[in-house]
Amino acid sequence: GNSVTQMEGPVTLSEEAFLTINCTYTATGYPSLFWYVQYPGEGLQLLLKATKADDKGSNKGFEATYRKETTSFHLEKGSVQVSDSAVYFCALSLNDYKLSFGAGTTVTVRA
Amino acid sequence: GAGVSQSPSNKVTEKGKDVELRCDPISGHTALYWYRQSLGQGLEFLIYFQGNSAPDKSGLPSDRFSAERTGGSVSTLTIQRTQQEDSAVYLCASSPSSGQGNQPQHFGDGTRLSIL
Repeated sequence: GNSVTQMEGPVTLSEEAFLTINCTYTATGYPSLFWYVQYPGEGLQLLLKATKADDKGSNKGFEATYRKETTSFHLEKGSVQVSDSAVYFCALSLNDYKLSFGAGTTVTVRA
Repeated sequence: GAGVSQSPSNKVTEKGKDVELRCDPISGHTALYWYRQSLGQGLEFLIYFQGNSAPDKSGLPSDRFSAERTGGSVSTLTIQRTQQEDSAVYLCASSPSSGQGNQPQHFGDGTRLSIL
């Protein structure tokens, strides 16, 4: 079946630190990969996506590259801000079908 | 434009009662999904509607759960004889669904269901 494994949290960082959240996947076929973010008190929002191998998704200073050879889609940001404090979910879907989510990683950025 | 709208935002009810949760997708989106977000289980897929096709109900946890989508737009998720383990945030999402696996799903703010 399809599944996503992402780095366990919580993660606590200082402002301007480098953030990496690891995500690996298992899928039958070639999935589209997504990072969703849930800010405190808000709904799930799409952060970025990649639809084929070697694609790089980017948004709000975050980046993730679809690595078929390592079945990974790690999320990175070079300099985090307090406003990046949120829960981050890695997810995959096949052919516009249901999303399979990772467990979520809670990130807290301290001033 | 308007996003995915869910109502009510919060629902508290007694064990054994029936509840109905409503989702109004983004206009023109043919695909509609229900998910459940709970502490112990994370984000779980429940049911998927695509156009006029038969829905994929494979994620519904029991026969107490059902959903319908009228006129290809609004959807209602019904939970009968609620149990305490049904307490969760129920999320609805919609997408244009190109069939090519690259359309992101847009989520509503969810309905927080609490069973006393």
